[in-house]
Amino acid sequence: NAGVTQTPKFRVLKTGQSMTLLCAQDMNHEYMYWYRQDPGMGLRLIHYSVGEGTTAKGEVPDGYNVSRLKKQNFLLGLESAAPSQTSVYFCASSIDGYNEKLFFGSGTQLSVL
Amino acid sequence: SQKIEQNSEALNIQEGKTATLTCNYTNYSPAYLQWYRQDPGRGPVFLLLIRENEKEKRKERLKVTFDTTLKQSLFHITASQPADSATYLCALAGDSNYQLIWGAGTKLIIKP
Repeated sequence: NAGVTQTPKFRVLKTGQSMTLLCAQDMNHEYMYWYRQDPGMGLRLIHYSVGEGTTAKGEVPDGYNVSRLKKQNFLLGLESAAPSQTSVYFCASSIDGYNEKLFFGSGTQLSVL
Repeated sequence: SQKIEQNSEALNIQEGKTATLTCNYTNYSPAYLQWYRQDPGRGPVFLLLIRENEKEKRKERLKVTFDTTLKQSLFHITASQPADSATYLCALAGDSNYQLIWGAGTKLIIKP
């Protein structure tokens, strides 16, 4: 039982490049989330999904897109990376969306030069 | 909008003592509040959840209190150990489902 797995762990991009972060969970959770964590700030929600085939915007969605084609996977895409997107990205999942604990992946450190 | 304040300065505690971390919020009282532990280079790990109608919750050496009058939650670790050294995050239920509002965390250092 791996829990929540994120790939890659590290990535360096040049401004304008694109990339996709993959999140996979094996707990059959309905809800999945993408957060970014920046120094001195709380986790900020980028996008989330309440079930297969659904996505919704969080607090800071600009510059990111997501897809949830399969229940166990939640992809985060950067179409044209900017230095402001340098951050640590965390994927999380939960059984449902309210009053439930989140299970997090180990994070992806992304640097945009 | 809801804001959360956690002490941004690291908290240094002697091993064996009780560590107390604070989470203050500014606006409406959330339906529940969660505490997580985060180690360097790792994702947060859930510790405790306390609901608005609960004043206190315990789990082994951990205790969380929730005071809606003071708009504050306290997180206590009794008989602290160096292995308890980590950053502790609090998160509040937002005003819409599915969204938690996160504090920036407090770094706890337990010295032998």
